[in-house]
Amino acid sequence: QKEVEQDPGPLSVPEGAIVSLNCTYSNSAFQYFMWYRQYSRKGPELLMYTYSSGNKEDGRFTAQVDKSSKYISLFIRDSQPSDSATYLCATTTGANSKLTFGKGITLSVRP
Amino acid sequence: DVKVTQSSRYLVKRTGEKVFLECVQDMDHENMFWYRQDPGLGLRLIYFSYDVKMKEKGDIPEGYSVSREKKERFSLILESASTNQTSMYLCASLSGGFSYEQYFGPGTRLTVT
Repeated sequence: QKEVEQDPGPLSVPEGAIVSLNCTYSNSAFQYFMWYRQYSRKGPELLMYTYSSGNKEDGRFTAQVDKSSKYISLFIRDSQPSDSATYLCATTTGANSKLTFGKGITLSVRP
Repeated sequence: DVKVTQSSRYLVKRTGEKVFLECVQDMDHENMFWYRQDPGLGLRLIYFSYDVKMKEKGDIPEGYSVSREKKERFSLILESASTNQTSMYLCASLSGGFSYEQYFGPGTRLTVT
């Protein structure tokens, strides 16, 4: 079993839709959780960063971590065409600086 | 803003050539990383470094080496390039301590023919 599994996608939604992106992980020692956004032909950029369980909101984006079920989610409200990108989840135990990434899901928001 | 730069956006090399990929960060970060990214395989860690002259193997170090002579610069070396090393190469850095936020460069698209 991969340490981090991410829905393979791709995902296509109409503008204005609520988008739910999900990852599961197997290592209960993971403590820190991140979502990266990667536009085509660019490097990933950090979008959201959370520690342990709970929700974190930033504008139209909400990151949710449920450690009991080892589930990570990113919600995008009122999705825009500019949200079209690949989204990668990532996590680490905190023991060192290595991150474990999901494979990424490509989102397309149709105008 | 943290800035991570990579020496080339696109590179074409021949099989057997020695290839150098350079990465520079301007935020005095201790930790630096080299990944490759391939469709269907995601990001895979090649090597990382916690400090000058320190290096650790990642998940796929075979065929690669690294050099970190200065804190701001982390080089990835392909000793003898092969076609299966055609990929997008991404460098990242982070400050360390309790921060786990990695900052990525724009990537180098390497094609080995």
